[in-house]
Amino acid sequence: GQQVMQIPQYQHVQEGEDFTTYCNSSTTLSNIQWYKQRPGGHPVFLIQLVKSGEVKKQKRLTFQFGEAKKNSSLHITATQTTDVGTYFCAGPDMRFGAGTRLTVKP
Amino acid sequence: GAVVSQHPSWVICKSGTSVKIECRSLDFQATTMFWYRQFPKQSLMLMATSNEGSKATYEQGVEKDKFLINHASLTLSTLTVTSAHPEDSSFYICSALDREDQPQHFGDGTRLSIL
Repeated sequence: GQQVMQIPQYQHVQEGEDFTTYCNSSTTLSNIQWYKQRPGGHPVFLIQLVKSGEVKKQKRLTFQFGEAKKNSSLHITATQTTDVGTYFCAGPDMRFGAGTRLTVKP
Repeated sequence: GAVVSQHPSWVICKSGTSVKIECRSLDFQATTMFWYRQFPKQSLMLMATSNEGSKATYEQGVEKDKFLINHASLTLSTLTVTSAHPEDSSFYICSALDREDQPQHFGDGTRLSIL
């Protein structure tokens, strides 16, 4: 099945700095989903991208889907301590990327 | 919003015991449910896809006889870890879909510890 590769594995930032995580697939994806998992919690759905070149924003979060629908990114502007957690992408086959663990130093 | 209830939230039992985990969709009918396993600080690994009224589709490397999945109704899927051993200790999470083009909704997960 499809597999999404996600980088980086870890990201440590100072509060106020920006953060980006990337997902790539060797095959075209019909859609890609992004989730956030807080320590000790379960994944929480953030967004689903479907269209080529799609860009969606949720407050400080910006999600992009590549023109070829093979890559996607999640960008957080001016991180806050509440952004701490692991961000996962998942393909339409419900398989998750490795995740990017974000820590934010106050 | 859609709610998925998973029970129990944690269980500790002796090696050789079989453990059943339930996953219920509370306010929608879930034609498809998914079972994942997650080790500490790792990603979610898809174990199997469960469709109501049919046999589950297991991912490569997941033992069908070890992890029994039953999806008897549109609101309930169960995962039974048979003859559990310490290496089966993990965080098991289910999710449910009400429609194919909709995101999956996750249960709170079950922490399984086998002594």
